[in-house]
Amino acid sequence: DTGVSQDPRHKITKRGQNVTFRCDPISEHNRLYWYRQTLGQGPEFLTYFQNEAQLEKSRLLSDRFSAERPKGSFSTLEIQRTEQGDSAMYLCASSPRPGGKNEQFFGPGTRLTVL
Amino acid sequence: KQEVTQIPAALSVPEGENLVLNCSFTDSAIYNLQWFRQDPGKGLTSLLLIQSSQREQTSGRLNASLDKSSGRSTLYIAASQPGDSATYLCAAPQTGANNLFFGTGTRLTVIP
Repeated sequence: DTGVSQDPRHKITKRGQNVTFRCDPISEHNRLYWYRQTLGQGPEFLTYFQNEAQLEKSRLLSDRFSAERPKGSFSTLEIQRTEQGDSAMYLCASSPRPGGKNEQFFGPGTRLTVL
Repeated sequence: KQEVTQIPAALSVPEGENLVLNCSFTDSAIYNLQWFRQDPGKGLTSLLLIQSSQREQTSGRLNASLDKSSGRSTLYIAASQPGDSATYLCAAPQTGANNLFFGTGTRLTVIP
């Protein structure tokens, strides 16, 4: 399977705990995005990487959220001191180098439940 | 900020019918628009991408159109099947940004 993969698929945690999610983009896609989706809503943008550089961050990305893409390949999204409002589906997407169609391909998501 | 609206929010049709899903966007200076399908509890599957220079894009029974001047796109599904039941999301970028702005989707149910 050469699509976008995410791990874990499901995470249940207690309020106040830290969680980390991983995303592996399609190989050779140098652009990577994180989105968050709550029930009944469309995905909302969190942050964007081009290679290892984090170029855009949404206002939704509070101080408790941090994302990295250390070698320009996989990315991690960490949420510190989780709150019940963080419960959502976290989606990762990747797209090819600039100059193309910029079609974004999404992974299966990580569903986070904060108790 | 780009705002994307999808109408209707839900649609139920008998198998075999043709149907149209609507999407409107406020920032018409887009370079492309994407339609996605999402099954319950799953990620998004890209269906069609229309570049700003195109007016239509087709894949099998799906046809998407784009009218930048009016800020509208439609997704036409021909001869609907129960397997088409899902939520369909429209997404467009904003001028100068790389990320997508999504509508809240149209939940389609095709009744056998």
